[in-house]
Amino acid sequence: QVHLVQSGADVKKPGASLKVSCETSGYTFTDYYIHWVRQAPGQGLEWMGRLNPKIDTTNLAQKFQGRVTMTSDSSISTAYMELKRLNSDDTAVYFCAKDLFNWGSGWIDSWGQGTLVTVSS
Amino acid sequence: DIVLTQSPATLSLSPGDRATLSCRARQRIANSLAWYQQKPGQAPRLLIYDASNRAAGIPARFSGSGSGTDFTLTISSLEPEDFAVYYCQQRGDWPLTFGGGTKVEIK
Repeated sequence: QVHLVQSGADVKKPGASLKVSCETSGYTFTDYYIHWVRQAPGQGLEWMGRLNPKIDTTNLAQKFQGRVTMTSDSSISTAYMELKRLNSDDTAVYFCAKDLFNWGSGWIDSWGQGTLVTVSS
Repeated sequence: DIVLTQSPATLSLSPGDRATLSCRARQRIANSLAWYQQKPGQAPRLLIYDASNRAAGIPARFSGSGSGTDFTLTISSLEPEDFAVYYCQQRGDWPLTFGGGTKVEIK
């Protein structure tokens, strides 16, 4: 059974960085892209980008380029998403999720539980 | 970015009713559309991909249709657990984008 377990909630000050981890199990980690999606309080879903854990390449939404880094450690089947220069608009629940197919379909099936990040001075 | 517009914003229905949700893309995306269900405090769940393919474990009362710019999610007979927010998502072009959501609430 596929599981994605994310790190816990966090509070950050404006200008700081956040790093969320996503520990996976139940499938071959390097065979599937990992997506990162965020959701501001009471708002819709926003795709941030995806990581190919096999070759450590990323596709990022232009909005986040220069501010987001997605990495992985295949030895522990874990993906990471770092977001720098935080501001209040970055307050959101951050989700990691696995692509449905091993060729990177862009469809997102198994999701982590979400990590609430609050940016406040 | 491809903008997806969902309508209506809210759908007030009773259990047993048929629900019809719409998603319109600003440009043609063939059949590159998915539907997700999200309940409060939970992660989204993939229902439909490639416009009309049900994901694993999704009940047959959920069906998707459409291609090009106009897409529909139909729930043939609402069960109590179907009251939730539904999002469409496209993969016709990068970046992936989501619609604003349709809330299906109990009338």
